[in-house]
Amino acid sequence: KQEVTQIPAALSVPEGENLVLNCSFTDSAIYNLQWFRQDPGKGLTSLLLIQSSQREQTSGRLNASLDKSSGRSTLYIAASQPGDSATYLCVLGSARQLTFGSGTQLTVLP
Amino acid sequence: NAGVMQNPRHLVRRRGQEARLRCSPMKGHSHVYWYRQLPEEGLKFMVYLQKENIIDESGMPKERFSAEFPKEGPSILRIQQVVRGDSAAYFCASSPLGQGDTDTQYFGPGTRLTVL
Repeated sequence: KQEVTQIPAALSVPEGENLVLNCSFTDSAIYNLQWFRQDPGKGLTSLLLIQSSQREQTSGRLNASLDKSSGRSTLYIAASQPGDSATYLCVLGSARQLTFGSGTQLTVLP
Repeated sequence: NAGVMQNPRHLVRRRGQEARLRCSPMKGHSHVYWYRQLPEEGLKFMVYLQKENIIDESGMPKERFSAEFPKEGPSILRIQQVVRGDSAAYFCASSPLGQGDTDTQYFGPGTRLTVL
């Protein structure tokens, strides 16, 4: 059974800092890994999708890496902004379902 | 192309009543997934459906919960005789192919169920 752990559970940083969110998983037999953003009272927004054959993906200020052998992924956010404040979810895709981490709640202080 | 639509966005029910949550997938998508997010917990898979078929319901509680995705119309998640522990956000996602490797799921905004 896949288990996904995200560390830290909460993070508060001043605006402009670079930061890293961590995700670890127990079963490397995955199809893909996604990072989602969840805003309070709203749905989920997919940020980056890494296929199992890839090692990283980049979009703007975001960079996500995947190391299946060690069961780890990181989400790097450069030059953080208050608008980045949200909960970030690491999600593992297997044959028919997604397994979600519990999320990292990020607060970027102006 | 409209995204995944869920309604209602907020639903309040008293204990013992029935809750019906609707999900309209993106145009062209024939695969629907339901997830539940309990307070202070992560999202958990409930059920995966194709048109008129339940493919995987391994995450669905055995009693009171049912799901359908008819040939015409939205997918319905039905909760009978709701209890306070059913209070959660229920998210629906859809995908065009249902293939884990190349397919991605697109999420709706969720329905927040509150049981009084």
